[in-house]
Amino acid sequence: GEDVEQSLFLSVREGDSSVINCTYTDSSSTYLYWYKQEPGAGLQLLTYIFSNMDMKQDQRLTVLLNKKDKHLSLRIADTQTGDSAIYFCAETDYGQNFVFGPGTRLSVLP
Amino acid sequence: DVKVTQSSRYLVKRTGEKVFLECVQDMDHENMFWYRQDPGLGLRLIYFSYDVKMKEKGDIPEGYSVSREKKERFSLILESASTNQTSMYLCASSPGLGETQYFGPGTRLLVL
Repeated sequence: GEDVEQSLFLSVREGDSSVINCTYTDSSSTYLYWYKQEPGAGLQLLTYIFSNMDMKQDQRLTVLLNKKDKHLSLRIADTQTGDSAIYFCAETDYGQNFVFGPGTRLSVLP
Repeated sequence: DVKVTQSSRYLVKRTGEKVFLECVQDMDHENMFWYRQDPGLGLRLIYFSYDVKMKEKGDIPEGYSVSREKKERFSLILESASTNQTSMYLCASSPGLGETQYFGPGTRLLVL
């Protein structure tokens, strides 16, 4: 079946940029997503990108998509302690499949 | 704004008890999902429903059943709870299959 992979942990210092990476296998992916999960909470949709785009920016968040390499990244500028969370990458082919990655736990150090 | 609510944030049950987890969405979404989340295993799909009274097994349906009598409500049932069902349970809904999923706050279940 289709697969989405992420590294499990990332630590950054407050004020630095964070880059969370994701790779996927589905060549018919239509939308790719980033969700954020704060401790003890559900998943909150952060942003998404349509597969015919290569970049999307929303305030401190920048999403980059390399469709050829099937690589998605989320850059958080000026990372704050409130950004500490688990970040899930997900993709859909807009058919039956909606696949989540394992999540990357971002720790922001003071 | 899409709102997905779950009946309890925390639940403690004993082994062998029947457990009901309820999920309600207010956006008239066709599809609803139940996942469990465990450390190191990510999200695993238990069951989903694409219409009232319709259900499909996900990746780990054993030990669970579901009920969707009304479009807005999707219930997850543990017929006889076991300690290995201690987990975080997340409900989600989407307008159509493969479309954006919106999540509830989660229910953390502890089975003693």
